[in-house]
Amino acid sequence: SQQGEEDPQALSIQEGENATMNCSYKTSINNLQWYRQNSGRGLVHLILIRSNEREKHSGRLRVTLDTSKKSSSLLITASRAADTASYFCATGRGGGNKLTFGTGTQLKVEL
Amino acid sequence: GAGVSQSPSNKVTEKGKDVELRCDPISGHTALYWYRQSLGQGLEFLIYFQGNSAPDKSGLPSDRFSAERTGGSVSTLTIQRTQQEDSAVYLCASSPRTSGGAGELFFGEGSRLTVL
Repeated sequence: SQQGEEDPQALSIQEGENATMNCSYKTSINNLQWYRQNSGRGLVHLILIRSNEREKHSGRLRVTLDTSKKSSSLLITASRAADTASYFCATGRGGGNKLTFGTGTQLKVEL
Repeated sequence: GAGVSQSPSNKVTEKGKDVELRCDPISGHTALYWYRQSLGQGLEFLIYFQGNSAPDKSGLPSDRFSAERTGGSVSTLTIQRTQQEDSAVYLCASSPRTSGGAGELFFGEGSRLTVL
């Protein structure tokens, strides 16, 4: 199974609402990253949180990490139609540089 | 160039033919990754290059898949005797990170491969 698994698989909200996506993983990590992918395009890095951090903010994004539960959440506040995309978490393990991606959450923000 | 460049953007081939996909990373980035994404799915790790170290090939699905990186820059992913299940988007990413775990990856737009 995937090292990172996001839930929900799909999320539909109204513009202005907050969107929360979760990621669970199985093994110890040194950091966790979130990426966004617009349909048919490459991925864009959003935020990186290290294993010794619990929360990180970037603009309308807030990421939390709970290493005891092996989970992370991505919160997008005051969502916009332009936030419609797939969101993936990715984990880096140990001292290696291999980054393993989850299955993604498809977010749709409706006007 | 300003970003990671991949070519071709689209490739349609017949089953049994060989294909080559090219990735030109961001100048100065020492790490280069190949991933595969099937329709509506997540990213499947294929191979990772870091400087002059031996590549991590642990994700290559079969011996029909190979990749090389010449001069620490451009990389080519080769798929021999293509099968229909090879149809996917092949994504390349580069990173300036050299140690201490994976850092931010910069992705290309991908090469969409369709095997008929």
